[in-house]
Amino acid sequence: AQKITQTQPGMFVQEKEAVTLDCTYDTSDQSYGLFWYKQPSSGEMIFLIYQGSYDEQNATEGRYSLNFQKARKSANLVISASQLGDSAMYFCAMREGGIGGFKTIFGAGTRLFVKA
Amino acid sequence: DTGVSQNPRHKITKRGQNVTFRCDPISEHNRLYWYRQTLGQGPEFLTYFQNEAQLEKSRLLSDRFSAERPKGSFSTLEIQRTEQGDSAMYLCAISGENNYGYTFGSGTRLTVV
Repeated sequence: AQKITQTQPGMFVQEKEAVTLDCTYDTSDQSYGLFWYKQPSSGEMIFLIYQGSYDEQNATEGRYSLNFQKARKSANLVISASQLGDSAMYFCAMREGGIGGFKTIFGAGTRLFVKA
Repeated sequence: DTGVSQNPRHKITKRGQNVTFRCDPISEHNRLYWYRQTLGQGPEFLTYFQNEAQLEKSRLLSDRFSAERPKGSFSTLEIQRTEQGDSAMYLCAISGENNYGYTFGSGTRLTVV
């Protein structure tokens, strides 16, 4: 069965420093997609970054990069040069079948606090 | 403007009452999803529409829950005989064939008293 595990309930980072949010996943499918979403205190879920299981390069989107280690089944999110506006909940998620699949499951989330 | 409008934003109802939420994608998207998020948790999948066809329902969606997407555009989620355990944020999301991530609406926060 699909499962997403985020072991860090909360993380602190100093402004302008980099931070890594951990995510491990479990699936028996060969084709799957991994996602990270941000949820600020306003409540809206914002899609950040996607990594396909067959993608050989780690995904990057601006200050976000996904450290994909397939053998370890981990998909950690790295945020470089943290900003105060990065303070939010971050959810790791997985969709079996890649972009052609339909159901995405989410982890419990990590709350990130950026200190000035 | 997120691309998905959800109404109402907040709903307080008495236990046993019926409630209906609406999700309006701003533009046409063939895939529409409903998720539920309780405090301190990630969203949980409820159901999925491909155009007007409801293709998958979670076991979380008891027979008190029903969802429709009559013309393949907007969708409604109805909860009958609400219970306190139904209190949660109900999120609607869309994706297209080539969209990697979901676009979520702002959600409807339901409080059952």
